[in-house]
Amino acid sequence: AQTVTQSQPEMSVQEAETVTLSCTYDTSESDYYLFWYKQPPSRQMILVIRQEAYKQQNATENRFSVNFQKAAKSFSLKISDSQLGDAAMYFCAYRYSGGGADGLTFGKGTHLIIQP
Amino acid sequence: NAGVTQTPKFQVLKTGQSMTLQCAQDMNHEYMSWYRQDPGMGLRLIHYSVGAGITDQGEVPNGYNVSRSTTEDFPLRLLSAAPSQTSVYFCASSRLETANYGYTFGSGTRLTVV
Repeated sequence: AQTVTQSQPEMSVQEAETVTLSCTYDTSESDYYLFWYKQPPSRQMILVIRQEAYKQQNATENRFSVNFQKAAKSFSLKISDSQLGDAAMYFCAYRYSGGGADGLTFGKGTHLIIQP
Repeated sequence: NAGVTQTPKFQVLKTGQSMTLQCAQDMNHEYMSWYRQDPGMGLRLIHYSVGAGITDQGEVPNGYNVSRSTTEDFPLRLLSAAPSQTSVYFCASSRLETANYGYTFGSGTRLTVV
């Protein structure tokens, strides 16, 4: 079974600085998708960014980008120009693309604190 | 467009009581699922469904029942609540063909069993 590991329970960054959240995963599959979800205090799960395993190019969404290292099974999230609204729990998640009904496997999350 | 609607938002139950958490979506999504979120544990899959009349177990199904009689609704039933079921519950859905693009989540139900 696949596993997702987030080794940083909590991270803190100054406003306007850059922070990187780490995620590693374990799978025997070659075709899958990876996601970063944000969960603010409102509890809503918000999709931040996704990456297809077959693509070598790292995904980017405005201030959010990933560093996807398939061989190392690493999928880190970089947040540039951190803003107070970025404060939240961040979850890394994996989905096997070959299983039509398979759910997401989540990491335990990283609590991101933004210092003003 | 309401998206995924979960009710109630908060609930306190006594041990042994039963209740149903409701989940409804208006996006014609075939795939619906239930997750529970516990502190320090991330989200874990309880049950899922790929269409009306079809359900299956996820990672942590014990103590929960589901059924899917319509495309729109996917209720989660706790038959005899236990303190170990204190958690935040999320419903998530997607089209089967776009599941790789991520799911739409409801806003969650915080359940406390005393």
